[in-house]
Amino acid sequence: EAGVAQSPRYKIIEKRQSVAFWCNPISGHATLYWYQQILGQGPKLLIQFQNNGVVDDSQLPKDRFSAERLKGVDSTLKIQPAKLEDSAVYLCASSLIGLAGARLEQFFGPGTRLTVL
Amino acid sequence: SQQGEEDPQALSIQEGENATMNCSYKTSINNLQWYRQNSGRGLVHLILIRSNEREKHSGRLRVTLDTSKKSSSLLITASRAADTASYFCATGRGGGTSYGKLTFGQGTILTVHP
Repeated sequence: EAGVAQSPRYKIIEKRQSVAFWCNPISGHATLYWYQQILGQGPKLLIQFQNNGVVDDSQLPKDRFSAERLKGVDSTLKIQPAKLEDSAVYLCASSLIGLAGARLEQFFGPGTRLTVL
Repeated sequence: SQQGEEDPQALSIQEGENATMNCSYKTSINNLQWYRQNSGRGLVHLILIRSNEREKHSGRLRVTLDTSKKSSSLLITASRAADTASYFCATGRGGGTSYGKLTFGQGTILTVHP
């Protein structure tokens, strides 16, 4: 089966600019996650969707970050305006949570490496 | 916030040796998972152990879980150069809106020398 797709793979912007990332999960996966991974740290969950509804966005900096999953399939994560500390890898993952007997493991995309200058 | 704390932060061994990584966590969990991340890539799921299990095997991987000590260990036997990567433990608390949510540790960087 095809894996989780993300684009772009790399992005360099200046502070105060805006940027958007795209994710297409594995077909049939109801749950989609966005993580932020700063160099040398583990991934930190930003937002979790179940179909097109938000399950958890408690760690999303809502003054600058937004995410949507309008049709319950692919998703976009936006940062506006970007700050230097937003430099990180943004990972998208999906899983089968929500179905009877759902498997709990998450499948990750390759990530988008963002550099804010 | 990071729940899992991995130990050691870095581990360097020779090919053929065993590698053991430890993970400690703070709150009660539903399951604990281990993931591998090769440089510049996304994470790959390795193994999942539920809170009512004590040990699990998958190929050269062995995971133990001690819920009384809130700790887990990952053992990779007969390591290969291709095992060089960062390894993360992730805890799932389960229940309600937390179902499926994972909290990752800081990771252990494993280097296997040929």
